[in-house]
Amino acid sequence: EAQVTQNPRYLITVTGKKLTVTCSQNMNHEYMSWYRQDPGLGLRQIYYSMNVEVTDKGDVPEGYKVSRKEKRNFPLILESPSPNQTSLYFCASSLFRGSNQPQHFGDGTRLSIL
Amino acid sequence: AQTVTQSQPEMSVQEAETVTLSCTYDTSENNYYLFWYKQPPSRQMILVIRQEAYKQQNATENRFSVNFQKAAKSFSLKISDSQLGDTAMYFCAFMNRYGGSQGNLIFGKGTKLSVKP
Repeated sequence: EAQVTQNPRYLITVTGKKLTVTCSQNMNHEYMSWYRQDPGLGLRQIYYSMNVEVTDKGDVPEGYKVSRKEKRNFPLILESPSPNQTSLYFCASSLFRGSNQPQHFGDGTRLSIL
Repeated sequence: AQTVTQSQPEMSVQEAETVTLSCTYDTSENNYYLFWYKQPPSRQMILVIRQEAYKQQNATENRFSVNFQKAAKSFSLKISDSQLGDTAMYFCAFMNRYGGSQGNLIFGKGTKLSVKP
């Protein structure tokens, strides 16, 4: 089954404790992206990757890092999480950048930073 | 920069009736895609319908249809014969086909739709 898998689904942690949210897709997609969703703001892009070792900032990259060492994986790293990063996070992928096929979304990760 | 505006934060409709959700966008590009996504309480992002800007014909998917007005930069979603399962947050999204922001989805703030029995 074609899917984007995010882990964990839920996480409660404390300020400053490094965390990683994993994202993996099994569709051989080149393009992957991270979004955060906040009430009243919709979804905003954090980072995206056009292919292995190629990443770029989205609209709200501050406080986040990403890496793309393998095509299937695109982890989101919070080196020193802060309460304003409490949010719902989505990973998405598509065949290639600008593909006319819609992006596939993971089921989301709810992060709470205390 | 492109922007997407959904002017209705919340809407409600009676079961079996028709409802229209509004979306406007701003862009100087000519080649782009527009989407409506549904997010039920399970919080999954589910694609409802997609429109390619170069196609004049409005997209339809069963009970869902759009009214795409390219000159007015408007992309509304019509849900016919509303069902309780349509209760969800609906997001309008824009994506450039080419250019610097190619492939990056830009979302509106969402419209929360409640279908009442």
